[in-house]
Amino acid sequence: TQLLEQSPQFLSIQEGENLTVYCNSSSVFSSLQWYRQEPGEGPVLLVTVVTGGEVKKLKRLTFQFGDARKDSSLHITAAQPGDTGLYLCSGNTGKLIFGQGTTLQVKP
Amino acid sequence: DTEVTQTPKHLVMGMTNKKSLKCEQHMGHRAMYWYKQKAKKPPELMFVYSYEKLSINESVPSRFSPECPNSSLLNLHLHALQPEDSALYLCASSPLGGWEQYFGPGTRLTVT
Repeated sequence: TQLLEQSPQFLSIQEGENLTVYCNSSSVFSSLQWYRQEPGEGPVLLVTVVTGGEVKKLKRLTFQFGDARKDSSLHITAAQPGDTGLYLCSGNTGKLIFGQGTTLQVKP
Repeated sequence: DTEVTQTPKHLVMGMTNKKSLKCEQHMGHRAMYWYKQKAKKPPELMFVYSYEKLSINESVPSRFSPECPNSSLLNLHLHALQPEDSALYLCASSPLGGWEQYFGPGTRLTVT
């Protein structure tokens, strides 16, 4: 069974703190996506990483793809209440699979 | 236009009702998807359409019946649902062969 394991599953922090979310697998992915989903809305695509070792930045968000293309991380600097939501990673190994998600709450 | 639209936004139906969910995209994507999502859980794939043909059915009960009338539209017909079918139903599209999915806002379904 191909699995994407996300950690942590839940995270509650204060505004201004930094955090990292991890997405790990024993499978190799040709690409990996990160989505953010706000309550009552659909997931919104944040980034796609394709190349092993790749680092992409989106304002205060930094995404990294592992050298072996089996894992990825999302780092948020100086979190804000607007970052609150469910963060999902997804990858394909011929079939698209999602991680279990990380619920992030940023308190003002 | 990079938007996937879904109607209705909310739906409450009884177990004997028949209703339909609608999804539309105008990005020229030839793959469209239906997902079911429970609170704080990842989306669960239900159906995939490729070039308006059903290509994947993830063993979904027959009380859910998908339909793809054309390359821009996707419907999900609902009949004799159970309370445990209450969830957020998401539609998504992607370029064929691509893995980036564009999701609609979802339909919040409550079965009473």
